[in-house]
Amino acid sequence: EVQLVESGGGLIQPGKSLRLSCAASGFTFSSYVLSWVRQAPGKGLEWVSAIDGGGISAYYADSVRGRFTLSRDNSKDTLYLQMNSLRADDAAIYYCAKVRTGGNWYDAFDIWGRGTMVTVSS
Amino acid sequence: EIVMTQSPATLSVSPGERATLSCRASQSVNTNLAWYQQKPGQAPRLVIYGASTRATGIPARFSGSGSGTEFTLTISSLQSEDSAVYYCQQYNTWPRTFGQGTNVEI
Repeated sequence: EVQLVESGGGLIQPGKSLRLSCAASGFTFSSYVLSWVRQAPGKGLEWVSAIDGGGISAYYADSVRGRFTLSRDNSKDTLYLQMNSLRADDAAIYYCAKVRTGGNWYDAFDIWGRGTMVTVSS
Repeated sequence: EIVMTQSPATLSVSPGERATLSCRASQSVNTNLAWYQQKPGQAPRLVIYGASTRATGIPARFSGSGSGTEFTLTISSLQSEDSAVYYCQQYNTWPRTFGQGTNVEI
């Protein structure tokens, strides 16, 4: 079964750092572009970042560029999101998502994890 | 950034009726358009990709159409389990962007 499982969320103070993880199983991890998508409480979906299968190229939303860094460890089938200088408006459920076809940047997200909640508050 | 605008915000329909959801892009996204269904407390689920292709396991009552800037998701003969928020998303350019969602109430 293809599966993504996020972890690492929690309560964090503004200005601090947090690292999210997304463990994958059931597919050839290194072949797929992966993204993080977040959803603030009661709000819609916001794409955050994406990385290619080799971990060479990454894209970021303007709202997180310079503060968040996306990386992956293909030997561990795990995706990471390093979040620095956290702000109150970063509070959200963070979902890890896989694109539908391998090696393709331009594709929909066919598999989503259940998400991990990040709360930013003093 | 491409802005995705969905209408209506809320759609109230009866079981067995047809629902038509609209999504408009601020510039062309070709057919690089997906629709997702999200139920309360759950992750989004892919419904349609490529503007008109049903994802695996999606019932035939769901159909998508459109290209360029105007897109439609149609749910024929609505069933109670179709009650959810539906989001469109473009994957033609960076950043990827989502519409604000249409809440389908049954």
